[in-house]
Amino acid sequence: QSVLTQPPSASGTPGQRVTISCSGSRSNIGSNTVNWYQQLPGTAPKLLIYNNNQWPSGVPDRFSGSKSGTSASLAISGLQSEDEADYYCAAWDDSLNGRVFGTGTKVTVL
Amino acid sequence: EVQLVESGGGLVQPGGSLRLSCAASGFTFSTYWMSWVRQAPGKGLEWVANIKEDGSEKYYIDSVKGRFTISRDNAKNSLYLQMNSLRVEDTAVYYCARDKAVTIWDYWGQGTLVTVSS
Repeated sequence: QSVLTQPPSASGTPGQRVTISCSGSRSNIGSNTVNWYQQLPGTAPKLLIYNNNQWPSGVPDRFSGSKSGTSASLAISGLQSEDEADYYCAAWDDSLNGRVFGTGTKVTVL
Repeated sequence: EVQLVESGGGLVQPGGSLRLSCAASGFTFSTYWMSWVRQAPGKGLEWVANIKEDGSEKYYIDSVKGRFTISRDNAKNSLYLQMNSLRVEDTAVYYCARDKAVTIWDYWGQGTLVTVSS
């Protein structure tokens, strides 16, 4: 059972802004940076955002990350059909002394 | 171009063994920690194990300690996962991933499916 909670689903129409939350605790998000992964259908995960709000090379700035207290968020601006995917947050947990992923959010473009 | 290519997955009976391999190319393999991350069918991601650049440190998720062994051969640019005493709950796609930093995996392989079933 994951210690990082995400909504199971989120949706929007093309061009809209969609936000995904990742809720944790003081031992994980509250103390460490958060990273986000995108998993397109049938493919491997891809690093989307690291260290809360940094973009790896090649990731469009339509994707943005933020963190406040024990929660983090991923925002997708100007939603596109190719953004349909599962999104996962990840962080280190000091209490578990281990790496934890969020429960995952499936984004649907209507 | 960084490439990670896993192999070795398949169908195995409970209690059996399997060895996964990951061939790396396009970067200096010996200078990166490497991880295995798995994903059960229809489920989320779960980090399994990782290994230091020179193989001197290895870490595992509790559920695989004593059953799985991660190793590497820097001369062959290869990462391995020896899986023994396999359980039904180990059924998953296993991904090889490069560690950029803690919980930052910047490159992933395509995955290899391990099915544990009688």
